[in-house]
Amino acid sequence: AQRVTQPEKLLSVFKGAPVELKCNYSYSGSPELFWYVQYSRQRLQLLLRHISRESIKGFTADLNKGETSFHLKKPFAQEEDSAMYYCALLYNFNKFYFGSGTKLNVKP
Amino acid sequence: GAGVSQSPSNKVTEKGKDVELRCDPISGHTALYWYRQRLGQGLEFLIYFQGNSAPDKSGLPSDRFSAERTGESVSTLTIQRTQQEDSAVYLCASSLPRLTEAFFGQGTRLTVV
Repeated sequence: AQRVTQPEKLLSVFKGAPVELKCNYSYSGSPELFWYVQYSRQRLQLLLRHISRESIKGFTADLNKGETSFHLKKPFAQEEDSAMYYCALLYNFNKFYFGSGTKLNVKP
Repeated sequence: GAGVSQSPSNKVTEKGKDVELRCDPISGHTALYWYRQRLGQGLEFLIYFQGNSAPDKSGLPSDRFSAERTGESVSTLTIQRTQQEDSAVYLCASSLPRLTEAFFGQGTRLTVV
């Protein structure tokens, strides 16, 4: 069963515009959710985790259990935000499920 | 080493040849994942090892693909009779149960010519 869904393969926005990368999950337990990022020619790395309720590089993500969503948001996109973004679910504290990824392209 | 290490970094092989890709996880990490990432595409799950449990092989695309891991150490992903569509970056990641982060290697770029 698809546990993490990222419906957009590609998202293009202009610099300074708000950005929202969508993520929906399916899990009956208490979810632990994450966003990972892969910049060009760099390895995949953790961006943020929902339990920390942190803002990293201006990005935030709120867990909405009613909508089973964990969308990643930033009010003003920067060119350096262009990257591949992956939503991930830690299932049973044991196994990560990754979405298929959304490529964010921030145009000047 | 401090992180997940994969070798080789790049591999060019002829169609029909077998290749072996290696992953050295972070010491002590019981979980190990293999993913495939085609050019410009997202992650495709291949296989998951967790300690001594039976691996989850549900993502392997064909019987040409296999992976092994001895205990909680090195893993090798083997692709037999490579095809051009196997060309991709193969990523390895490791983690610990209840550890809220998976750590990725830099990947092996496989090119089948």
